[in-house]
Amino acid sequence: KAGVTQTPRYLIKTRGQQVTLSCSPISGHRSVSWYQQTPGQGLQFLFEYFSETQRNKGNFPGRFSGRQFSNSRSEMNVSTLELGDSALYLCASSLYSSDYEQYFGPGTRLTVT
Amino acid sequence: GQSLEQPSEVTAVEGAIVQINCTYQTSGFYGLSWYQQHDGGAPTFLSYNALDGLEETGRFSSFLSRSDSYGYLLLQELQMKDSASYFCAVRVGGTNAGKSTFGDGTTLTVKP
Repeated sequence: KAGVTQTPRYLIKTRGQQVTLSCSPISGHRSVSWYQQTPGQGLQFLFEYFSETQRNKGNFPGRFSGRQFSNSRSEMNVSTLELGDSALYLCASSLYSSDYEQYFGPGTRLTVT
Repeated sequence: GQSLEQPSEVTAVEGAIVQINCTYQTSGFYGLSWYQQHDGGAPTFLSYNALDGLEETGRFSSFLSRSDSYGYLLLQELQMKDSASYFCAVRVGGTNAGKSTFGDGTTLTVKP
């Protein structure tokens, strides 16, 4: 069974630009969660999507948004990038919403200059 | 809100036993998960406790006390490859269902 895939793996953007990251979950998984990870920080929850619906959202500004498609693939978008948005963005899939076992992708390393 | 506390760093020698603690404050608590993340890698699931007690999976065990809002991960017969960051995470229901909260992680260094 193929694992969670994320594209692109690395990205360099300029402050003020916008970016879209993509996540393909494990086949059959309907829940996708997104996290931001910065050096020395844990995983900060961004949002979770289940069956194309956002179930919950973390404490991030409205510049961070996401969506999920009917095939469970998910995208997250960050508009008006700031230097502080530089981070590793991880997505995780699971069979059910708020499942205790999540499978993480390799992440997208975003650098904002 | 939800919060978890775990030590930032732990050091141990190869072959030893180490315990990583995690205390949490949350509403709608369902259970506690543990993840391992090597440098440059993705977090991988290790174990989950929904009920009080010890769950054993090979060299790794995890414990939960719901009354104390406390859990720990126990690593036995430490190997160099166990050097990694370990995160605890709470699974919740109710109005926060779907919102996962992770601790800041404990960096384990295993020395020869």
